[in-house]
Amino acid sequence: GIQVEQSPPDLILQEGANSTLRCNFSDSVNNLQWFHQNPWGQLINLFYIPSGTKQNGRLSATTVATERYSLLYISSSQTTDSGVYFCAVEGYSTLTFGKGTMLLVSP
Amino acid sequence: NAGVMQNPRHLVRRRGQEARLRCSPMKGHSHVYWYRQLPEEGLKFMVYLQKENIIDESGMPKERFSAEFPKEGPSILRIQQVVRGDSAAYFCASSPNGELFFGEGSRLTVL
Repeated sequence: GIQVEQSPPDLILQEGANSTLRCNFSDSVNNLQWFHQNPWGQLINLFYIPSGTKQNGRLSATTVATERYSLLYISSSQTTDSGVYFCAVEGYSTLTFGKGTMLLVSP
Repeated sequence: NAGVMQNPRHLVRRRGQEARLRCSPMKGHSHVYWYRQLPEEGLKFMVYLQKENIIDESGMPKERFSAEFPKEGPSILRIQQVVRGDSAAYFCASSPNGELFFGEGSRLTVL
């Protein structure tokens, strides 16, 4: 099946800092999504982005399908951004999740 | 527009009992997916269903686990004779067209 690797596995930021999270995948994809799992365990949709670039407030994402990677940018981070960020991709069947990047934003 | 609804949110069972987890998809969504998340891990696919049909169950354990999505009512994930290793968060997602929307999960604890 398709392999999904996320980096870095852990990240600690000071409030106000910017960061870039990376997702590499091993095959062509029909679907790519970014999720934020908050400290209460809820999974929140961030982006549905099989290709191209999207922005939503302080977050933006870019997927370069031909090179098999996606990037999630977080600008001016806030403590509420803490949690785990998952990249999930769909090749020929269902959505496969990476292991996530655990982000801690300190005040 | 209600999101994906899962219940119960928390369930405690003793070893050997049965657990039933329910999922109502978002209105208009006919595809339901179940995922399991063990502590400190990512989500693992279990099963993909459409109304009255199992489309892909490649992630389901061969024994004790079953899932259904009847014509009427919610999707049900059923775990028979639970063991401690079944303790996890079980997430349901629904989709209209490939983009998945997740419920808040059901957290199963097996004593």
